[in-house]
Amino acid sequence: EAGVAQSPRYKIIEKRQSVAFWCNPISGHATLYWYQQILGQGPKLLIQFQNNGVVDDSQLPKDRFSAERLKGVDSTLKIQPAKLEDSAVYLCASSRSPWDRGYGYTFGSGTRLTVV
Amino acid sequence: SQQGEEDPQALSIQEGENATMNCSYKTSINNLQWYRQNSGRGLVHLILIRSNEREKHSGRLRVTLDTSKKSSSLLITASRAADTASYFCATDASGGSNYKLTFGKGTLLTVNP
Repeated sequence: EAGVAQSPRYKIIEKRQSVAFWCNPISGHATLYWYQQILGQGPKLLIQFQNNGVVDDSQLPKDRFSAERLKGVDSTLKIQPAKLEDSAVYLCASSRSPWDRGYGYTFGSGTRLTVV
Repeated sequence: SQQGEEDPQALSIQEGENATMNCSYKTSINNLQWYRQNSGRGLVHLILIRSNEREKHSGRLRVTLDTSKKSSSLLITASRAADTASYFCATDASGGSNYKLTFGKGTLLTVNP
């Protein structure tokens, strides 16, 4: 099966600019996650979707971050305006369903964001 | 918040040696998983162990889980240079239909040829 697709691979922007990341999960995977991974740390969950509904966005900085998952397939994560501390790798992952806990996540290759 | 904490933070070994990484966590879990991340890439799922299991094997990987101590270990036997990567434990401590993983900070493994 095809993997989780993410784009762009790299992005450099100036602070206060906006940026958007795109993710296409594995076909048929109901749950989609966005994680933020700062250099030297483990991934931190930003938002979790079940189909096109938000399940958990408790750690999403909602004053500047937004995300949507149209038609329960592709997802877009946006940052506006960006801050220096947003420099990180943004990882998208998907899983089969919230009831199927016997399988791990499948991650995309990530988008490396540098804010200067 | 990060549920799991890996130990050591960094490990350097020679090719052919075994590598052991440990993970401690704080709350009751449904399962614990290990992932590998090569530099600059996404995470790859290695192995999952359920809370009612004590040991699991997959190829050169052996995972143990001690729920009484809230800890797990990952053993990589006969390591290869290609095993050089960061290894993360992740815990599923969520209830109901909310399948959500919390990751630790990782162990950086370097296997020297």
